[in-house]
Amino acid sequence: EAQVTQNPRYLITVTGKKLTVTCSQNMNHEYMSWYRQDPGLGLRQIYYSMNVEVTDKGDVPEGYKVSRKEKRNFPLILESPSPNQTSLYFCASSARQGWDTQYFGPGTRLTVL
Amino acid sequence: DAKTTQPPSMDCAEGRAANLPCNHSTISGNEYVYWYRQIHSQGPQYIIHGLKNNETNEMASLIITEDRKSSTLILPHATLRDTAVYYCIVRLSDSNYQLIWGAGTKLIIKP
Repeated sequence: EAQVTQNPRYLITVTGKKLTVTCSQNMNHEYMSWYRQDPGLGLRQIYYSMNVEVTDKGDVPEGYKVSRKEKRNFPLILESPSPNQTSLYFCASSARQGWDTQYFGPGTRLTVL
Repeated sequence: DAKTTQPPSMDCAEGRAANLPCNHSTISGNEYVYWYRQIHSQGPQYIIHGLKNNETNEMASLIITEDRKSSTLILPHATLRDTAVYYCIVRLSDSNYQLIWGAGTKLIIKP
């Protein structure tokens, strides 16, 4: 089954404790991205990747890092989480940039205390 | 950047057609209109997209006006499971590929 998976689905952590949210897709998609969703602000893109070893900033990249060492994986790293990063995070992938539809993961609800 | 305007909420009776409007008056000639939906806090789900012509798939129909300044998503026979937030978004035409997500329309299907 074609899917995008994220782990963990729920995470409560404390300020400053490094964490990684994993994202994996089994569709051999080139394009992957991370979004955060906050009440009243909609979905905002954090980072995206057009292929292996190619990443770029989205609208709200501050405080986040990503890497794309393999085509299927696109982890989101918070080196020193802060309470303002409490949010619902989604990973998405698509076959190519531009015209293709995006497939979203189930989401990771992160709380930073 | 083309922006979209949608009503914040709509109701529809189960079994009826749900017609969700979207205004995108500043859309440029090579920008597509996409529709996604998000059920509760799940990941958004692609529904349909189009450029100029009307489109139909197994989920919905998309009607785009001739001047392309507005469009309507039609769910022909709405069910309770269609209750969701529906996003009408326009793809930016520059190279970094972003979909600008607005607040969407919360569609409530009533029995």
